[in-house]
Amino acid sequence: DIQMTQSPSSLSASVGDRVTITCRASQGISNYLAWYQQKPGKVPKLLIYAASTLQSGVPSRFSGSGSGTDFTLTISSLQPEDFATYYCQKYHGAPPTWTFGRGTKVEVK
Amino acid sequence: EVQLVESGGGLVQPGGSLRLSCAASGFTFNYFWMSWVRQAPGKGLEWVANIKQDGSEKFYVDSVKGRFTISRDNAENSLYLQMNNLRAEDTAVYYCTRDLSYFDFWGQGTLVTVSS
Repeated sequence: DIQMTQSPSSLSASVGDRVTITCRASQGISNYLAWYQQKPGKVPKLLIYAASTLQSGVPSRFSGSGSGTDFTLTISSLQPEDFATYYCQKYHGAPPTWTFGRGTKVEVK
Repeated sequence: EVQLVESGGGLVQPGGSLRLSCAASGFTFNYFWMSWVRQAPGKGLEWVANIKQDGSEKFYVDSVKGRFTISRDNAENSLYLQMNNLRAEDTAVYYCTRDLSYFDFWGQGTLVTVSS
């Protein structure tokens, strides 16, 4: 099975900071990677799919990059509403069984 | 507007059973794969099971194989998860999701608590 390693598990940042979260796959998954945001007590929200395609309605300060085994979610200028936990998810392979990373909590510095 | 509304959660004893339902609206239900994703209290997300548009293919995470069954009724625009032989580690919020291989729409979730 392909494992997803997300890092860091948590980080502290300030409003206006550039934030980078990494997700690494144990095997190549092309660009079959999605990113989600979850705020406390809320439902997860799709941010990015196909590694770099922004879901409709998601602010452009969010971006994704990578292919193969190494992927990055970047928030260019952290806003107060961005403090949340972020998850990556791979969707490569057959049978279609999906795997999430363990999450990265972005906290106020 | 796409809506997914789960129901059927609750408190159940270890070894017991529960059936979750998800009512879908706002899109052509029988065009899409559907999945259940769960989240244990204070933990991360875990994909549980998915089902093809016509119900002919179903897949499960290893930890629920043989205990959980996913099904759907396209005439009723509904998704189900039959959970048998429940364990404490199945305690979680269960989300119904539209499955494009990634999950673009989520329900609000229903809490399943397995405890004596």
